[in-house]
Amino acid sequence: GAGVSQSPSNKVTEKGKDVELRCDPISGHTALYWYRQSLGQGLEFLIYFQGNSAPDKSGLPSDRFSAERTGGSVSTLTIQRTQQEDSAVYLCASSLFATGAKNIQYFGAGTRLSVL
Amino acid sequence: GNSVTQMEGPVTLSEEAFLTINCTYTATGYPSLFWYVQYPGEGLQLLLKATKADDKGSNKGFEATYRKETTSFHLEKGSVQVSDSAVYFCALSDLGGTALIFGKGTTLSVSS
Repeated sequence: GAGVSQSPSNKVTEKGKDVELRCDPISGHTALYWYRQSLGQGLEFLIYFQGNSAPDKSGLPSDRFSAERTGGSVSTLTIQRTQQEDSAVYLCASSLFATGAKNIQYFGAGTRLSVL
Repeated sequence: GNSVTQMEGPVTLSEEAFLTINCTYTATGYPSLFWYVQYPGEGLQLLLKATKADDKGSNKGFEATYRKETTSFHLEKGSVQVSDSAVYFCALSDLGGTALIFGKGTTLSVSS
């Protein structure tokens, strides 16, 4: 597609429920990233995919968080048993090259998650 | 570890004023440096970048110069507009890394 697409744009859920957030990267971009943006914490890296594999999961805050990517394209971030501290904007980005000077990441508009 | 420090906002300016948003970084080697902008209700957009020392990135009247000696990448614009009101993020990507490391963001508010 023309840009990185994320859905839903807003998600309200109850504490304890599971949620799935979707990211559709720019066509042809092999690298995909998830970040979390919350008040007081700024932008935090969560996970990086190269193709369908995730060589860097170091930012996932707990085992309630998981992500997968299929077909080298769409990615889903899943949060199980959501907690109020999970409330944030979840941003997805993609890039053509994953490292070095050509690592230019393009971001989606994000999914705003509110856990009540 | 690598880090980015930005001046805290909010920055409030009148239209046509000069803008500077300070950004300094800590990194090993020679990282690539970026400024991203986030307009209200939108995702981050790449504003400009520089990949080596003394490079100047520029876009839409904004400029930033990669200063290795002061580990800085300050954002400047000679004459701001109301439409420049947004949150600005400084970020780095080191040579072997993948994730961007962001500063906490600086909110700019421009009034007419």
